[in-house]
Amino acid sequence: ETGVTQTPRHLVMGMTNKKSLKCEQHLGHNAMYWYKQSAKKPLELMFVYSLEERVENNSVPSRFSPECPNSSHLFLHLHTLQPEDSALYLCASSPGQSFGTQYFGPGTRLLVL
Amino acid sequence: GNSVTQMEGPVTLSEEAFLTINCTYTATGYPSLFWYVQYPGEGLQLLLKATKADDKGSNKGFEATYRKETTSFHLEKGSVQVSDSAVYFCALSDKGAAGNKLTFGGGTRVLVKP
Repeated sequence: ETGVTQTPRHLVMGMTNKKSLKCEQHLGHNAMYWYKQSAKKPLELMFVYSLEERVENNSVPSRFSPECPNSSHLFLHLHTLQPEDSALYLCASSPGQSFGTQYFGPGTRLLVL
Repeated sequence: GNSVTQMEGPVTLSEEAFLTINCTYTATGYPSLFWYVQYPGEGLQLLLKATKADDKGSNKGFEATYRKETTSFHLEKGSVQVSDSAVYFCALSDKGAAGNKLTFGGGTRVLVKP
């Protein structure tokens, strides 16, 4: 238990669906991250939030829409995804955007049909 | 830019064997170095870290020493168990202009057989 939780753990969706991934951290951290882990590819950083403000967007398609309503919660809204978006989506948090170890949640395994 | 290179797997070992996973890095600043472990069906867990040259990180019988002269952070364990079967990721965090972003290696799958 790292203090970072993610729901749901597994998600199957069609290409026309809209769904959201949720991440919550109980560590009092100020920075939160979304990563994508695809088979046979290195982990890809998608978004970084610091004190609820987005500070990084690594050229992620607009069908992925992050939201950070407060420093403890992070969402990833999904719409009109493609099969190649199937992956493990990992959330992480750290004390600050420029310092501190990142702690990861268990991930959401997403399958797009 | 920053990069991390680690040996490709899978690495297959017998229980109680010695494990080494090589990791080398390139970075523009003075990075912190990490090993994360991912057990089947789970997210990444921090295994150990080192924040400056010659530091040794250790946890659960695993060790890695930050070697600035060889830009390496090799992971070792003297006697592995079946429960050590997982994917191991080497990573660096450059405390410079890149902020706290992690750069990961490709991961090394380790399979320990009884």
